Amino acid sequence: AQSVAQPEDQVNVAEGNPLTVKCTYSVSGNPYLFWYVQYPNRGLQFLLKYITGDNLVKGSYGFEAEFNKSQTSFHLKKPSALVSDSALYFCAVRDPNTGFQKLVFGTGTRLLVSP
Amino acid sequence: SQTIHQWPATLVQPVGSPLSLECTVEGTSNPNLYWYRQAAGRGLQLLFYSVGIGQISSEVPQNLSASRPQDRQFILSSKKLLLSDSGFYLCAWSQEGNQPQHFGDGTRLSIL
Repeated sequence: AQSVAQPEDQVNVAEGNPLTVKCTYSVSGNPYLFWYVQYPNRGLQFLLKYITGDNLVKGSYGFEAEFNKSQTSFHLKKPSALVSDSALYFCAVRDPNTGFQKLVFGTGTRLLVSP
Repeated sequence: SQTIHQWPATLVQPVGSPLSLECTVEGTSNPNLYWYRQAAGRGLQLLFYSVGIGQISSEVPQNLSASRPQDRQFILSSKKLLLSDSGFYLCAWSQEGNQPQHFGDGTRLSIL
């Protein structure tokens, strides 16, 4: 069965500094990987996905993520953080060998960007 | 473009009362539909999913049920709410293949 780990409950970064939110996964085959962001009292917004191809994936709002198969990681990155990036971030994985599009989500990482 | 609507946004219900939460999707046909519960602003638990009208799969045994009476309508129900049913309920849709799921803005349910 697939699983996702987000080892950090919270990440603190100063505005203008680069940010990284970590994610590691476990699936039996080649994974489909996703990042979502959630603002207070809102649903999850899709940021980016990795399906195949280039290991560096670019997404919305200047975010990118790097797929590393040997380390089974898919860390979310942004070169320069904004205060408005403060939110809850979820990594999710799907095993494409399963018959249904079930996503397994991590427990989330709260990003706090200080001015 | 596709949109997803959930209502109500917030709901306060007494223990033992019934529940009906509705979710509709516009701008697409034959979507996969999902109900999640998010507890304490953190992890998401998949409750139900549906690949077509009348086709419902339950992920966890519980006090809730789901129905899909129309292609783009997904309803979450309960006959008698429990205190443990409190939470933030999210509906989502996706198309087939490697497409992401897209979420509604959720319903915050409080049971008194």
